[in-house]
Amino acid sequence: GENVEQHPSTLSVQEGDSAVIKCTYSDSASNYFPWYKQELGKGPQLIIDIRSNVGEKKDQRIAVTLNKTAKHFSLHITETQPEDSAVYFCAAKSSNDYKLSFGAGTTVTVRA
Amino acid sequence: EPEVTQTPSHQVTQMGQEVILRCVPISNHLYFYWYRQILGQKVEFLVSFYNNEISEKSEIFDDQFSVERPDGSNFTLKIRSTKLEDSAMYFCASSEAGLGPEAFFGQGTRLTVV
Repeated sequence: GENVEQHPSTLSVQEGDSAVIKCTYSDSASNYFPWYKQELGKGPQLIIDIRSNVGEKKDQRIAVTLNKTAKHFSLHITETQPEDSAVYFCAAKSSNDYKLSFGAGTTVTVRA
Repeated sequence: EPEVTQTPSHQVTQMGQEVILRCVPISNHLYFYWYRQILGQKVEFLVSFYNNEISEKSEIFDDQFSVERPDGSNFTLKIRSTKLEDSAMYFCASSEAGLGPEAFFGQGTRLTVV
């Protein structure tokens, strides 16, 4: 089955700096890669996703890149703000599967 | 904005007891899921459900687990005889379609088995 690895497990950045989280996946059939943000006491919230037919997608301060050859994808948050502090999860899914396979999560702390 | 809602937010139960976790998916969604997250571990897929039947399940989803859509709005996860290792955060999710688009998650039910 699919195995998603996520790094780093924790990330502390100064407000205004950028944050980058990296994930790798094992199943070449995976073609959908969402990113979820989980704040304390809440469920995972979809913040951006990318499909295998594109290499990059951007939504305001958030961008995701995908390298299918290397089987890795990354989340980039620019101009970080205190409200970006949360746990971020990457996930992968193939068109043959109903399930998402998650990374272990990255706890991001933005220091004011 | 439509959202997935789960009840209760926290459930404490004695080992061996049955528990039912409840979810109200987004109203126009057709596919429903349960995931769980044991403290400090990854979010793990349990089961997906479509058209009143299970479409996929993981090896975690053994005979102790069952799912049901008892009416037009609720989606439930039942654990028949809880074990200590069932203690986890359980997330319900729903999506418009199963093999394609985004899944939206509820806020979770924290199950503590004592």
